[in-house]
Amino acid sequence: QVQLVQSGAEVKKPGASVKVSCKASGYTFTAYHLHWVRQAPGQGLEWMGWINPNSGGTVYAQMFQGRVTMTRDTSITAAYMELSRLRSDDTAVYYCARELTSGAVHYAFEIWGQGTMVTVSS
Amino acid sequence: QSALTQPASVSGSPGQSITISCTGTSRDVGNYNLVSWYQQHPGKAPNLMIYEVNKRPSGVSDRFSGSKSGNTASLTISGLQAEDEADYYCCSYAGSSTFEVFGGGTKLTVL
Repeated sequence: QVQLVQSGAEVKKPGASVKVSCKASGYTFTAYHLHWVRQAPGQGLEWMGWINPNSGGTVYAQMFQGRVTMTRDTSITAAYMELSRLRSDDTAVYYCARELTSGAVHYAFEIWGQGTMVTVSS
Repeated sequence: QSALTQPASVSGSPGQSITISCTGTSRDVGNYNLVSWYQQHPGKAPNLMIYEVNKRPSGVSDRFSGSKSGNTASLTISGLQAEDEADYYCCSYAGSSTFEVFGGGTKLTVL
């Protein structure tokens, strides 16, 4: 079945970086864009950006520009989201989510990973 | 403060219908038919319920419907069931500078 499986929870100190992985299976990895969305505890959803697994092209939300890097490894059908210069308000669950439609970005997030809790604390 | 405005909470009894509004601006909801809605149960990842304003993904009940008028999108759930109790988020494309914005979420309580 189509699924996205993310890496486990992380605890980081302020100023450090975190890299979250998202392993895809059950579909053609390069055919669908992958988005990253985060959710702080008790808060709403926040879109971070997307990666085109075919070309490696990326688009990032303005508030994360310069701190976020999204990459992929097609040989193992995995995508990665690295966030640097972590602050306490980066504490959140980070989700990867696959587009509904192949080859297009319609911002319809059909398949979601289980989420990765990232805690930033000194 | 979220870019799209949703009511914090709505409630309804089983069998009733409810509507959740999502108010944006002419730069997002009013300008693009790329509004989607997500259902999220506690501790779970969101589920896509509606995309492109009023389309349902395969497997989503036809009790869920979406619409848009001007800068406001709406999600209607008819024949409320206990399992519909969850948080609901709207989301809209907002152009090639901002890209994507979410609403603050609405907690639906089934009485």
